[in-house]
Amino acid sequence: DTAVSQTPKYLVTQMGNDKSIKCEQNLGHDTMYWYKQDSKKFLKIMFSYNNKELIINETVPNRFSPKSPDKAHLNLHINSLELGDSAVYFCASSRDIPRFSGANVLTFGAGSRLTVL
Amino acid sequence: GENVEQHPSTLSVQEGDSAVIKCTYSDSASNYFPWYKQELGKRPQLIIDIRSNVGEKKDQRIAVTLNKTAKHFSLHITETQPEDSAVYFCAAVFTGGGNKLTFGTGTQLKVEL
Repeated sequence: DTAVSQTPKYLVTQMGNDKSIKCEQNLGHDTMYWYKQDSKKFLKIMFSYNNKELIINETVPNRFSPKSPDKAHLNLHINSLELGDSAVYFCASSRDIPRFSGANVLTFGAGSRLTVL
Repeated sequence: GENVEQHPSTLSVQEGDSAVIKCTYSDSASNYFPWYKQELGKRPQLIIDIRSNVGEKKDQRIAVTLNKTAKHFSLHITETQPEDSAVYFCAAVFTGGGNKLTFGTGTQLKVEL
C-alpha cells in the first residue's frame, strides 16, 4: 500500500478556477506538509500540520488554504488559480516535527502536477 | 531568515568518478541535515542524514561530512554509476518557527558512460 498518497496526479485547469488536492498517509505519522516544487526544481515548504494543528504557515497567498480533518489527511484548496501557481505540489509526512531525534525523515507522496492555463 | 545554499547547481561526471555537492546553512542552532535524491518524475527520497553531534557518516558509496564551525556540509558519492543521475537536495532543520526543514536549491547530477 502506498504510504503517502495524493490525488489527483495531474490537474489542468483555467485561470480563476478553484481546485483541491487531497493527501492521505497510512504511516501513523503525526506531522504532514505541503511543499511546492517550481519549474527550477526548488522545493519550498508551504504548510505543516502536527496532530491537526497548523505549525508552519509560510508566506503564501491566502488563496491557498490547507485543511486537516484528522492527522492522516492534509488537503490543499486553491482559490482563483493564477498562472504562477503552476508547479508540482508534494505532500509529505513525518513521525514528528523535525527535531534532533529520529523523527525527522520525510516520506513524500508522488506529487500532483498542477497546470494553470 | 533561514537559508540553505547549495553548489553546484549542475554536475557532470564520468562513470566511476567521485561527485561532491556542498551546502552551507545560516542557523547555527540547526542540528539535523538530511540529503534527498529525486529521480526524474519521481518523489524526493532520503538517502542519508547526519546530526550535529557527528562529523561524518558513511553508507556504502555515499558519505556526508559536517563542519559545524563553518556551517557547511557535503555529500560525497564515490564510484558513480548511471543510476546515481538525479537531482540531489540538501536540507537543514531550522529550530525557530516550528522546526522547519528547509531545502537547498538542488544539484542536477549527471553520470556519463
